[in-house]
Amino acid sequence: AQSVAQPEDQVNVAEGNPLTVKCTYSVSGNPYLFWYVQYPNRGLQFLLKYITGDNLVKGSYGFEAEFNKSQTSFHLKKPSALVSDSALYFCAVRAFSGGYNKLIFGAGTRLAVHP
Amino acid sequence: ETGVTQTPRHLVMGMTNKKSLKCEQHLGHNAMYWYKQSAKKPLELMFVYSLEERVENNSVPSRFSPECPNSSHLFLHLHTLQPEDSALYLCASSQGVGTSYNEQFFGPGTRLTVL
Repeated sequence: AQSVAQPEDQVNVAEGNPLTVKCTYSVSGNPYLFWYVQYPNRGLQFLLKYITGDNLVKGSYGFEAEFNKSQTSFHLKKPSALVSDSALYFCAVRAFSGGYNKLIFGAGTRLAVHP
Repeated sequence: ETGVTQTPRHLVMGMTNKKSLKCEQHLGHNAMYWYKQSAKKPLELMFVYSLEERVENNSVPSRFSPECPNSSHLFLHLHTLQPEDSALYLCASSQGVGTSYNEQFFGPGTRLTVL
C-alpha cells in the first residue's frame, strides 16, 4: 500500500536554530514527493517537490528537503527557523490508482518556533 | 487568494438543512478536487474531477453530492449531514490528473459546523 508517515505530531524549535520535519514514504516505483504548509485559517500552500535529479531540493521561504532513497525519507529542513514558520506541515506522495495520479498526504506535523 | 477561491469561508447548518459549497479556480487547470480535513487526521480525498468528469469517489456518503459544471467551477452539495461531518473542506486544482507530478493548488477552505 502506498502511504506517507510523519512520525512527529509537533516539533518545537527556538528561533534561529535549524529545524527538521520528518517524512517517510512507501510507494511502488519512483516516488514523486511534495511538502505543503498550512497557516491558520488558510488552505495548503505548495513548498517544494522532488521528481528526479538532485537529492537536495530547494523551495519557498528558505526551506529545503533531502530525498533519501535507501531510507525512503524526504525530510524538510531549514537552516535558521523564524517565528513566522510556525504552521502545520504536510508531506505528500504521488500515487497511481484507478488509472490516474493522486496525492496521498501524511497526518501533518505542527511546527512551533519560539522566540 | 486569487488562484483558488472558496465560498463561504464559514458555514453552520442543521442536520436537516441543504447547503452548497462553491469552489472556483482561476489558474486554467482542468482537474479539481474536494478534500475533507478533520482534526488530527490525514487529508481525505473525497472527489476528483478531470475535464468535468468525475474520476474518483472515495466511498463518500451520498449526503455529499459534487457537481462540476465546467473546468473552473466545482460545487459540493450538502444535505442531511451529521455532526461528524463538521470539518474543513478544501478544494484544489491541478493541470491534469495524469501528469507526471500532479502539483495541486488549494483554496482557503470552508469551515463547516453541523449542529
